[in-house]
Amino acid sequence: AQSVTQLGSHVSVSEGALVLLRCNYSSSVPPYLFWYVQYPNQGLQLLLKYTSAATLVKGINGFEAEFKKSETSFHLTKPSAHMSDAAEYFCAVSDGSGGSNYKLTFGKGTLLTVNP
Amino acid sequence: ETGVTQSPTHLIKTRGQQVTLRCSSQSGHNTVSWYQQALGQGPQFIFQYYREEENGRGNFPPRFSGLQFPNYSSELNVNALELDDSALYLCASSSPDTGENYNEQFFGPGTRLTVL
Repeated sequence: AQSVTQLGSHVSVSEGALVLLRCNYSSSVPPYLFWYVQYPNQGLQLLLKYTSAATLVKGINGFEAEFKKSETSFHLTKPSAHMSDAAEYFCAVSDGSGGSNYKLTFGKGTLLTVNP
Repeated sequence: ETGVTQSPTHLIKTRGQQVTLRCSSQSGHNTVSWYQQALGQGPQFIFQYYREEENGRGNFPPRFSGLQFPNYSSELNVNALELDDSALYLCASSSPDTGENYNEQFFGPGTRLTVL
């Protein structure tokens, strides 16, 4: 069974400061890992994904994440926070078995607040 | 390219009633997955449909059922509604074909269901 743990349900940063959102996963097979962002009253938008290629993944809006197998982590970072980054962020894992039969297992989410 | 659409946007039902939620997949996608997102939680996988057949199911009771049509649109049906069914229901479409977006799920805006 797969699982995702997001450390910190709420992270608050100042505008311009480093953003670090933590994600640890558990998977019995090589995982595919994803970060999604959700703005209020909206669906999920993909920020970036790891699919066993480069371990440092760059996504949209200046976000990036590094896959560390030894630490079973996939933390999301952004060098300088912007007010528009305030949203809920979800880390998700799939078993990467490919084909049509896979599901996403999500963490509980981290609410990012950006202070002016 | 048309994205994933869901209808209705909001819905209010009473306990014991039945509800049908609808999803149109992104053009070219033949797989639809449904997720339930309770308030303050991450999305939870309900089931997935691939070429009109159920292709994986999460830990949800049989009163949650679905359909996929030849045009790959999908319905989620919930019978005997309970108060705990109140949630945002998200639909995601994907394609098992190879390519840059392999294994990537594209989410719709969701349907907010309130059960009174």
